[in-house]
Amino acid sequence: DSGVTQTPKHLITATGQRVTLRCSPRSGDLSVYWYQQSLDQGLQFLIQYYNGEERAKGNILERFSAQQFPDLHSELNLSSLELGDSALYFCASSVETGATNEKLFFGSGTQLSVL
Amino acid sequence: TQLLEQSPQFLSIQEGENLTVYCNSSSVFSSLQWYRQEPGEGPVLLVTVVTGGEVKKLKRLTFQFGDARKDSSLHITAAQPGDTGLYLCAGAVRGSARQLTFGSGTQLTVLP
Repeated sequence: DSGVTQTPKHLITATGQRVTLRCSPRSGDLSVYWYQQSLDQGLQFLIQYYNGEERAKGNILERFSAQQFPDLHSELNLSSLELGDSALYFCASSVETGATNEKLFFGSGTQLSVL
Repeated sequence: TQLLEQSPQFLSIQEGENLTVYCNSSSVFSSLQWYRQEPGEGPVLLVTVVTGGEVKKLKRLTFQFGDARKDSSLHITAAQPGDTGLYLCAGAVRGSARQLTFGSGTQLTVLP
């Protein structure tokens, strides 16, 4: 158990819909990262938040947005869903010391299926 | 964009055999991490290497970071069925916060 909690574990929805994925980081971790894992693209970094503020952006579509709340949990919002958005979405957390050997702890992921 | 290519993509071996997985890039990384991912779970960090030429051992697993910090390898000695999983390398570039560039992964199956 990594200590990172993601809900829901599975999500099935239709094209055009909007969903929200939730992540609770490990106790004490200030940084939350979102990754998308698909068969053809592998594991892709989407976005990072640190203590409520956006820290870094990766390959995140404009239809996707995220936020980190004062209690440090984070939500990833996916809208106008397309078939190609079907993937595993992972949240990870870290203390964010800036050290090169910083450890990321991943949750078990949310499997999103867009039908 | 930094790209990490892993080889082989798939590897199926018998218990007791040795294997090596490679992770290559044309980019220089400040550190490189190896993860193992099992079905239905997120990646779990195995090791981080930060110095060019560095070798780290974790029981039957040996990790090496290339001298130029562009490539890495993972060698498993006497593989066991419990080693089965998706092995991912991930590189970090200094100054880019902590977003990692992940390799495409090597799916290892160790048959009993």
